[in-house]
Amino acid sequence: KAGVTQTPRYLIKTRGQQVTLSCSPISGHRSVSWYQQTPGQGLQFLFEYFSETQRNKGNFPGRFSGRQFSNSRSEMNVSTLELGDSALYLCASSRGTAGGSPLHFGNGTRLTVT
Amino acid sequence: QKEVEQNSGPLSVPEGAIASLNCTYSDRGSQSFFWYRQYSGKSPELIMFIYSNGDKEDGRFTAQLNKASQYVSLLIRDSQPSDSATYLCYGNQFYFGTGTSLTVIP
Repeated sequence: KAGVTQTPRYLIKTRGQQVTLSCSPISGHRSVSWYQQTPGQGLQFLFEYFSETQRNKGNFPGRFSGRQFSNSRSEMNVSTLELGDSALYLCASSRGTAGGSPLHFGNGTRLTVT
Repeated sequence: QKEVEQNSGPLSVPEGAIASLNCTYSDRGSQSFFWYRQYSGKSPELIMFIYSNGDKEDGRFTAQLNKASQYVSLLIRDSQPSDSATYLCYGNQFYFGTGTSLTVIP
């Protein structure tokens, strides 16, 4: 059974640009959640999509947005990049809502903003 | 106040010893807890989950949940060097603990 696939693995962008990250969940999983991981802040919840609807949202500015398609694949977009957005972005899929189900993580996208 | 507080360590134990990792949480409505292990440069992977008060054992791992005291712990018996990693606890309110770095010394 294929795991969670995130693309691309690495990204280098400059301040002010925007970026789109992609996540393909495990087949049959309807929830995709996104997390930002930095050395200082640890793993922080961005948002969760379930059956194409944003179910829950963390405490991030509106520059961070996402969507989910009918095949459960999800994309996350960050606009007007700032240096502080440099981080590892992880997506996770789960059968039920991310709040109460085991999460299966992808390998992450390492974003560097210069 | 953070939703999930974790003893951040780092924690070092000799090979064969018991490693004890602890989390406290603030939301009494939290129903389920998960422990993830993250090796350096890798993604978190689930090692245990617990929903009910008491202990749950899986091989060398035991998760303990005490809802009255609002803490959850993970015990690793017969610790091995391969257990050296960061351990993250996660409650069902989307918050991860800050992680405890465990080093098992051969």
